[in-house]
Amino acid sequence: NAGVTQTPKFRVLKTGQSMTLLCAQDMNHEYMYWYRQDPGMGLRLIHYSVGEGTTAKGEVPDGYNVSRLKKQNFLLGLESAAPSQTSVYFCASSQGPGSYGYTFGSGTRLTVV
Amino acid sequence: LAKTTQPISMDSYEGQEVNITCSHNNIATNDYITWYQQFPSQGPRFIIQGYKTKVTNEVASLFIPADRKSSTLSLPRVSLSDTAVYYCLVVNLNSGYSTLTFGKGTMLLVSP
Repeated sequence: NAGVTQTPKFRVLKTGQSMTLLCAQDMNHEYMYWYRQDPGMGLRLIHYSVGEGTTAKGEVPDGYNVSRLKKQNFLLGLESAAPSQTSVYFCASSQGPGSYGYTFGSGTRLTVV
Repeated sequence: LAKTTQPISMDSYEGQEVNITCSHNNIATNDYITWYQQFPSQGPRFIIQGYKTKVTNEVASLFIPADRKSSTLSLPRVSLSDTAVYYCLVVNLNSGYSTLTFGKGTMLLVSP
């Protein structure tokens, strides 16, 4: 079982460039999430989706956009990358809201220079 | 959201039992207690979840006293591969749009 797959695994961007991170899940989960993890900061929620065609802001949404055009995919976009967005990005999915176990992907390590 | 407090780090040796205690003094009636494990360069992994008393699965046990103001994750006979960060979270049962809030977790280092 693939679970949650994130692509790419690594990426280096120049300041001002744009990119899209792809998250795909094969568990037919309704809920999907994007987190970022910085050293000593734990995980912080960027955006999330409670179903196909829906998105909502999390704790740190500025500088990011998301789309959930298909139930199995959740895309995270950086319109104009900044060094402050250097981080490890994790996607997760769950069948229901927070009381259900989340399944996380293996992460995307992004460096903005 | 109920705030959780857990030790920043713990050390243990192979074969020992490890107990990680989490404090959540403001836990609400509809809140569950959930624990995740994160290995280096991987996403967090769900370990165990409970509401009260004791819950056990193949990985760990979770002890929750009657007042539910704290909980203890117990890892029996740890091995080197249990070295990881362990997160304690409090999650609302009935919030239709609740999400998980991760703190800094407890870094467990298991030595030979």
